[in-house]
Amino acid sequence: AQSVAQPEDQVNVAEGNPLTVKCTYSVSGNPYLFWYVQYPNRGLQFLLKYITGDNLVKGSYGFEAEFNKSQTSFHLKKPSALVSDSALYFCAVRDWGGANNLFFGTGTRLTVIP
Amino acid sequence: NAGVTQTPKFQVLKTGQSMTLQCAQDMNHEYMSWYRQDPGMGLRLIHYSVGAGITDQGEVPNGYNVSRSTTEDFPLRLLSAAPSQTSVYFCASSYTPGLNTEAFFGQGTRLTVV
Repeated sequence: AQSVAQPEDQVNVAEGNPLTVKCTYSVSGNPYLFWYVQYPNRGLQFLLKYITGDNLVKGSYGFEAEFNKSQTSFHLKKPSALVSDSALYFCAVRDWGGANNLFFGTGTRLTVIP
Repeated sequence: NAGVTQTPKFQVLKTGQSMTLQCAQDMNHEYMSWYRQDPGMGLRLIHYSVGAGITDQGEVPNGYNVSRSTTEDFPLRLLSAAPSQTSVYFCASSYTPGLNTEAFFGQGTRLTVV
């Protein structure tokens, strides 16, 4: 079975500093990985995905993610954090089972401090 | 284009009551799913459907029923509500999920069972 882990419940970063939100994965085949963001009282919004190819994936709102096969990681990054980036971030992986369901990590709350 | 629409946004139920959470999408997506979101546990898959007339169980299906009579609608029924079903519920849809397709989420239904 596929799974993802987000080792940090909370990440605090100062505005203007680079941010990293960590994700590690476990899959039985090639990994198909996603990042979603959830703003307060809203649904999840898609940020970016890794399918194959370049290890650095660029997504919405200036976010990018680095895929590292040897470390089985897919960390979300942004060079310069904004206060408006404060939200709950979820890493997810597609299951290789019949319906290719999405399975989510437990989430990381990012707080950007002005 | 409304995307994925969930109703109601908020609901309070008494233990033992039944209710239906509505979900509709206007993107002609074949695949639809229901998740519940609980603190520290991320999103867990309740039920999913790969097309009209086809449904299947996810990780946490007990206490919930679904049906899929049309492509657009995927209601979630709580048969006899319990306090353990207090949660935020999200409906999601996607094109027939290849491993590389992202999911689109509704705004969520916050359910409290007292």
